[in-house]
Amino acid sequence: DQQVKQNSPSLSVQEGRISILNCDYTNSMFDYFLWYKKYPAEGPTFLISISSIKDKNEDGRFTVFLNKSAKHLSLHIVPSQPGDSAVYFCAATTRGAAGNKLTFGGGTRVLVKP
Amino acid sequence: NAGVMQNPRHLVRRRGQEARLRCSPMKGHSHVYWYRQLPEEGLKFMVYLQKENIIDESGMPKERFSAEFPKEGPSILRIQQVVRGDSAAYFCASSPPWDSYEQYFGPGTRLTVT
Repeated sequence: DQQVKQNSPSLSVQEGRISILNCDYTNSMFDYFLWYKKYPAEGPTFLISISSIKDKNEDGRFTVFLNKSAKHLSLHIVPSQPGDSAVYFCAATTRGAAGNKLTFGGGTRVLVKP
Repeated sequence: NAGVMQNPRHLVRRRGQEARLRCSPMKGHSHVYWYRQLPEEGLKFMVYLQKENIIDESGMPKERFSAEFPKEGPSILRIQQVVRGDSAAYFCASSPPWDSYEQYFGPGTRLTVT
């Protein structure tokens, strides 16, 4: 039972253009969402997060949008840079639950072409 | 300020042997999480520990797997009698003692069972 899904396994984008990564979830108890970036042979690195009381959060080139009614969130990266080439994971958790364990999607591999 | 440390980075075990994976959290962090990533999949939660306590082990297989986080020293994930299906990357994450949803990941241990 996959509670967090990233339906696009890969994405290719030209340098300077926008990358849009999508994530859907099914568990309505999730109320905090995070995006992580992962390079090969490294651990995931936190990028940006959003609480369910917001619909948008922005940090530099990264913006996350949350549509609670659709149980959908997206990560926008603009402009995309070659160093952004990595696997991006969407994750969700329920605040107040013991431990704030993260439920991850399957990841989207992004390739930014120069 | 050192990040989360894991060792070994790579571990090869024959079927039936034991695997011990170590994780030292970031300085000041008292919460430790273990996740497993099978090839081409997202990370899956295994266990959440605080010092000397297992808080949530809902993601741990019932047999052969155990985890601890002693008062002194690193957290240990122990897999007894390893099988080929245990081959995966095992990531440890830590978070501070206050309520925080952001987890900081180590570089992972890649376990290969031959």
